[in-house]
Amino acid sequence: DVKVTQSSRYLVKRTGEKVFLECVQDMDHENMFWYRQDPGLGLRLIYFSYDVKMKEKGDIPEGYSVSREKKERFSLILESASTNQTSMYLCASSSGTRGYNEQFFGPGTRLTVL
Amino acid sequence: AQTVTQSQPEMSVQEAETVTLSCTYDTSESDYYLFWYKQPPSRQMILVIRQEAYKQQNATENRFSVNFQKAAKSFSLKISDSQLGDAAMYFCAYRRNTDKLIFGTGTRLQVFP
Repeated sequence: DVKVTQSSRYLVKRTGEKVFLECVQDMDHENMFWYRQDPGLGLRLIYFSYDVKMKEKGDIPEGYSVSREKKERFSLILESASTNQTSMYLCASSSGTRGYNEQFFGPGTRLTVL
Repeated sequence: AQTVTQSQPEMSVQEAETVTLSCTYDTSESDYYLFWYKQPPSRQMILVIRQEAYKQQNATENRFSVNFQKAAKSFSLKISDSQLGDAAMYFCAYRRNTDKLIFGTGTRLQVFP
């Protein structure tokens, strides 16, 4: 079974703090993604990566950065957390380049910024 | 830009009955892929079913099937013999080739015994 794990299920941080969300997949997938999920807005892509040390901006990259130093790990960084970044964050991974390929999701991290 | 619309924020169904969730999308492409993902409460999102646009035959996975109407840009999900475990958020998604997945806003399905 493909496993995508995220470092925390729930996280509470204060405004201005630097926040790291970690995602690890164990199936040697090339592609990794970070989404933000908000009620009524669905999932929106923040950043994605097709290879180690590669990163591409998604639809809402402002206020976020990412790091992919190893193939299995993709980190999302909030440089200075703000209250409008309170949300559910989902990591996903997939293999290959076929558009038909499934994305496998982690359990999500519910981040609250106070 | 491509968009995916799920016009039903919430749906409900009686156990053992059939329910259809709607999804429409906007694209000028002829070759693309469509997906339905399920997110159970407090559990990971999983793929339910997928369809390649060039295939006319509707995809089926056990109790789940789709009604793919390419000209109408419609991709509805039918769940037959609904079970309590089908209660979840359902997201429709579109992808053109290797581009990013574009998700709809989701439909929350409740299943009543």
